[in-house]
Amino acid sequence: KNQVEQSPQSLIILEGKNCTLQCNYTVSPFSNLRWYKQDTGRGPVSLTIMTFSENTKSNGRYTATLDADTKQSSLHITASQLSDSASYICVVSDLGAGSYQLTFGKGTKLSVIP
Amino acid sequence: DAGVTQSPTHLIKTRGQQVTLRCSPKSGHDTVSWYQQALGQGPQFIFQYYEEEERQRGNFPDRFSGHQFPNYSSELNVNALLLGDSALYLCASSFQNYGYTFGSGTRLTVV
Repeated sequence: KNQVEQSPQSLIILEGKNCTLQCNYTVSPFSNLRWYKQDTGRGPVSLTIMTFSENTKSNGRYTATLDADTKQSSLHITASQLSDSASYICVVSDLGAGSYQLTFGKGTKLSVIP
Repeated sequence: DAGVTQSPTHLIKTRGQQVTLRCSPKSGHDTVSWYQQALGQGPQFIFQYYEEEERQRGNFPDRFSGHQFPNYSSELNVNALLLGDSALYLCASSFQNYGYTFGSGTRLTVV
């Protein structure tokens, strides 16, 4: 069964600090991996998307890494801001291999405090 | 360029009733997927519509049904509502399987 596991489940950091969120997956075959930011009660917003050939991708203060061999990804947030408080969801897809659905992790709930 | 639009934003229904949720895809997108997100959980795939047909379905009962119209908009219908159907329902549109964009969701509460 395709699964996406994220850690930690929740995280509290001080404004201005950096943090790293982890994602392990068992989805196979692998097409791409996405990180989304989801504010409470809102739809997810895409941060990065990486195919198996990409090791890192940045979007402003967000940098995602991917190790397709170990099936691990991380999302690093630099110089956190209060507006970074949200859930960060790792999503893996095998789209194009006969499947049309995305497999979501449960997310890491990040709280940035002053 | 409008993104994905979902309506209504919030809805309260009584157990046993039926509900219809609506989704207008992003301009240029032809595929609509529906997801259910319970509180504190990641979204779960309900089904995907392409060319007005249900292309793939997740592990949801037949009480969940849908439709896609010629203009690519879509509806999600849920019959015989249960308390456990309370969730945030997300619609995502894409062109084929590219450019997934999510709407803000419909918060359904069943009482």
